[in-house]
Amino acid sequence: DAGVIQSPRHEVTEMGQEVTLRCKPISGHNSLFWYRQTMMRGLELLIYFNNNVPIDDSGMPEDRFSAKMPNASFSTLKIQPSEPRDSAVYFCASSQGNPHQPQHFGDGTRLSIL
Amino acid sequence: DQQVKQNSPSLSVQEGRISILNCDYTNSMFDYFLWYKKYPAEGPTFLISISSIKDKNEDGRFTVFLNKSAKHLSLHIVPSQPGDSAVYFCAACHSGNTPLVFGKGTRLSVIA
Repeated sequence: DAGVIQSPRHEVTEMGQEVTLRCKPISGHNSLFWYRQTMMRGLELLIYFNNNVPIDDSGMPEDRFSAKMPNASFSTLKIQPSEPRDSAVYFCASSQGNPHQPQHFGDGTRLSIL
Repeated sequence: DQQVKQNSPSLSVQEGRISILNCDYTNSMFDYFLWYKKYPAEGPTFLISISSIKDKNEDGRFTVFLNKSAKHLSLHIVPSQPGDSAVYFCAACHSGNTPLVFGKGTRLSVIA
């Protein structure tokens, strides 16, 4: 079975540019989560969706960050404009059913903003 | 304010011995706890979980213990193997539609 698929795996861009990260959850999963991992703050939840609807975006750092889930099989996390402090590894995860079901993570996107 | 704390950033253990990874939490509403394991350049993978109605859950070489009064849980790996070398994340949540809160992780090195 295909797991959670994230693209790109690596992204290097200059500050001020728009960055779009993509995620394909596991088929049949109805919850999708975006995380950011940094040395200082560990794994932080940015936003999560349930049945394609954003439920909690309180972790989104600021208005430069936005996320969408237009259908059950695709989500994007966009940063516009990007800044060097946005450099991190961004993970997408999905899960099925109740919140006690373990989340399945993608392999992440390593983002470097120069 | 961190609700889930893993106070040891790293741990080294000899192959064959026991590895004990610790996790503390502050939110008394948490009632479900999970451990994830992460290799470099990969996403975290689910390892084992425990509900607050239990104080122990075992799966092969992995056992998680929960002490609710102390708001503490630990992951025991016996015997430790070199392939267990990874970063281990503790996570917690409250029943209902609340997302997981993760600790910062502990890097385990199992030395052959």
